[in-house]
Amino acid sequence: SQTIHQWPATLVQPVGSPLSLECTVEGTSNPNLYWYRQAAGRGLQLLFYSVGIGQISSEVPQNLSASRPQDRQFILSSKKLLLSDSGFYLCAWSVGAGRNQPQHFGDGTRLSIL
Amino acid sequence: SQQGEEDPQALSIQEGENATMNCSYKTSINNLQWYRQNSGRGLVHLILIRSNEREKHSGRLRVTLDTSKKSSSLLITASRAADTASYFCATMDSNYQLIWGAGTKLIIKP
Repeated sequence: SQTIHQWPATLVQPVGSPLSLECTVEGTSNPNLYWYRQAAGRGLQLLFYSVGIGQISSEVPQNLSASRPQDRQFILSSKKLLLSDSGFYLCAWSVGAGRNQPQHFGDGTRLSIL
Repeated sequence: SQQGEEDPQALSIQEGENATMNCSYKTSINNLQWYRQNSGRGLVHLILIRSNEREKHSGRLRVTLDTSKKSSSLLITASRAADTASYFCATMDSNYQLIWGAGTKLIIKP
């Protein structure tokens, strides 16, 4: 069966510090991968998605970047965090082929910027 | 951009009652999906309904889709305390991306 791992679960970082959040998927090949941010009490905002190694699409201009160095690894990074980067970050995957497929989520990382 | 809008924003009912949540959207879709999120956790997929389907069932869940009204409803029958969560609808657009609503917070009182 497929599983998705996202870590860390919580993170407290000072303004201006770097960030690296990692997400890995097991049990499937060539998945579509997604990074979302969720503000408190709100829906999900798509930040990045990837359909293959090295292929990253950004949905909104921001202080963050994403990379996919391996087929089942997706990394969210920042060189200098801003207060506005605080939030709940979720990684998800879906089957690479086929339009009518659900997304499967990790347990999220709660990021607090001080 | 946020396309789906859930209604109501919050719903509190007694255990055993049925819960109905609605979702409206604005543009044409490939499918509409419902997810559940327990507090502080990731989202769990519940049901996917394609644009050419009108109704779908899964256990105590029933989803309807009316493309002429651009709306969907999620019915949870015989609610349980464990159903307490936030429920989100998401529509898949022509670019195969999911557009999410702000969610309905459901509280089941024992």
